[in-house]
Amino acid sequence: QKEVEQDPGPLSVPEGAIVSLNCTYSNSAFQYFMWYRQYSRKGPELLMYTYSSGNKEDGRFTAQVDKSSKYISLFIRDSQPSDSATYLCAPTTDSWGKLQFGAGTQVVVTP
Amino acid sequence: EPEVTQTPSHQVTQMGQEVILRCVPISNHLYFYWYRQILGQKVEFLVSFYNNEISEKSEIFDDQFSVERPDGSNFTLKIRSTKLEDSAMYFCASSGRTPANTQYFGPGTRLTVL
Repeated sequence: QKEVEQDPGPLSVPEGAIVSLNCTYSNSAFQYFMWYRQYSRKGPELLMYTYSSGNKEDGRFTAQVDKSSKYISLFIRDSQPSDSATYLCAPTTDSWGKLQFGAGTQVVVTP
Repeated sequence: EPEVTQTPSHQVTQMGQEVILRCVPISNHLYFYWYRQILGQKVEFLVSFYNNEISEKSEIFDDQFSVERPDGSNFTLKIRSTKLEDSAMYFCASSGRTPANTQYFGPGTRLTVL
């Protein structure tokens, strides 16, 4: 079983729609859950993170973690064409250790 | 806004040659990392570095790889004898004294081994 799994997509949505992304993981020691956005041939850009279970909102983005089911979600409200990118979940076990990236989900927002 | 920078943006080398990839982390950060991403694949951890020594390394980071912080600002990744399969994007990242592991990534160096 892969440590972190994401549906690769592509996920195509019309502008203004809600984008729903998710990730599952197997390592129960993960404590911090990061979401990165990556444009083609660019470096990952940190969007937001959550610690342990719960929800966190930052502007149009909401991250949710359910540690009991090892399930991570990211929601993007009012999606824009500029949100078209690959979204990577990256959990980690501690505050300085390696990030364990999923393969990423490609999102396409059409005008 | 502070950012991680990397040079060169693209490096082409012959198999068996040594390459050095350079990174300037965010100035007050303490933890430094190298990751790589083979085209079409996921981002993979290579090594983490703290207090002038390696904290953790992956099985990819074998004896052909080394890291160094030669001065107060640069962080380098050296590949001693490149192989075709080393062709990838290499990303440097850094993080500071934050409660969470908020790593900030550079734009990457695309390494092509011929």
